[in-house]
Amino acid sequence: QAGLTQPPSVSEGLRQIATLTCTGNNNNVGDQGAAWLQQHQGHPPKLLSYRNNNRPSGISERFSASRSGNTASLTITGLQPEDETDYYCSAWDSSLSAWVFGGGTKLTVL
Amino acid sequence: QVQLVQSGAGVKKPGASMKVSCKASGYTFTAYYIHWVRQAPGQGLEWMGWINPKSGATKYAQKFQGRVTLTRDTSISTVFMEMTRLTSDDTALYYCAREIFDMDVWGQGTTVTVSS
Repeated sequence: QAGLTQPPSVSEGLRQIATLTCTGNNNNVGDQGAAWLQQHQGHPPKLLSYRNNNRPSGISERFSASRSGNTASLTITGLQPEDETDYYCSAWDSSLSAWVFGGGTKLTVL
Repeated sequence: QVQLVQSGAGVKKPGASMKVSCKASGYTFTAYYIHWVRQAPGQGLEWMGWINPKSGATKYAQKFQGRVTLTRDTSISTVFMEMTRLTSDDTALYYCAREIFDMDVWGQGTTVTVSS
């Protein structure tokens, strides 16, 4: 099943701003948006942002999500060493009647 | 606190079946769907299906139709994922996650290795 498209890697400097993207189509991201998940090695994914761009309780304000058309974005401000890890987007695809994930982006904090 | 606790890791032979459990606690079990997502070594996340614990209704990804069965036991707030006809391609970390709008709480994961 078709998934969402994420760049495999993004690099930004310490204390800088990183923007990760997730591209889908009218049936998934363009319809109800995308959620964002963070996954550290050896740990389960952690929800950073709901599809409506709201943050779950306890998630830092440094993480903010947005959407423009069929592309969702996660912006991380004031990059910290602990932000260096993998990020995934997910969405419900109404055409496939299935949840789809992006391939993941590995964020490197320089 | 809200948590999903999964059963332990296992090693299976090709052609065998596996059954993984996911026990919920800290919230109303029937109020949230439970999804199963797997992650092959070094790979991304792959959605497998969901079950509505209240009704027992299920939905599977096309790839897993006929090979994966999700069930639940409301008396013990537990969801089960059974997969048959295992191959080496099924070697992965299997997660359960609850969802009411998005998958907000995840189990710790269960490693399943398929090897002869």
